[in-house]
Amino acid sequence: GAVVSQHPSWVICKSGTSVKIECRSLDFQATTMFWYRQFPKQSLMLMATSNEGSKATYEQGVEKDKFLINHASLTLSTLTVTSAHPEDSSFYICSARGTGDSWPQHFGDGTRLSIL
Amino acid sequence: TQLLEQSPQFLSIQEGENLTVYCNSSSVFSSLQWYRQEPGEGPVLLVTVVTGGEVKKLKRLTFQFGDARKDSSLHITAAQPGDTGLYLCAGAWRSSASKIIFGSGTRLSIRP
Repeated sequence: GAVVSQHPSWVICKSGTSVKIECRSLDFQATTMFWYRQFPKQSLMLMATSNEGSKATYEQGVEKDKFLINHASLTLSTLTVTSAHPEDSSFYICSARGTGDSWPQHFGDGTRLSIL
Repeated sequence: TQLLEQSPQFLSIQEGENLTVYCNSSSVFSSLQWYRQEPGEGPVLLVTVVTGGEVKKLKRLTFQFGDARKDSSLHITAAQPGDTGLYLCAGAWRSSASKIIFGSGTRLSIRP
């Protein structure tokens, strides 16, 4: 089945640094990728939709300058959390949708980000 | 506010019992999915329902999409400890560039 890989799976860094998370579709071309954020004991909240070769569409309340998304190829999207602070600590999950597919989205295993 | 409300939020029952989880919205969806998520992992798709009134079965799990495509339910028969996890419904609209919105989640714990 389709596989989506996220890297790293876990990262700890100091407050003020920037962190990049990668989301790769391993065996299919993903025209659209989605980035979610999940706080402990809560559901997934959609942050943004990223289409290959164009600017990401951010959900209301998500700072585009804080969470930089790049979808430069059909198999890779990156999320960079800039100047991260402890309140940015969360579980970040990406998903990818293949070309021509309405369903399903394929989810990565998430990245746990801890900012000290 | 959550577009998709799930109830109950938490459920702890004994092995062998039956349970139902509900997913409700005021919006009409073109399709609705149910996922199960283990701690530290991404959600895993269980089923997609598309037609109003549709019922799908997956072993001991029965999924139903409401006639008006605004709500759904997940029924588990004879729950087992392996069913423990976070269950999430997610809805999609045909006009929304395929994005899906997740429900508030139901955390299920099955006691042996």
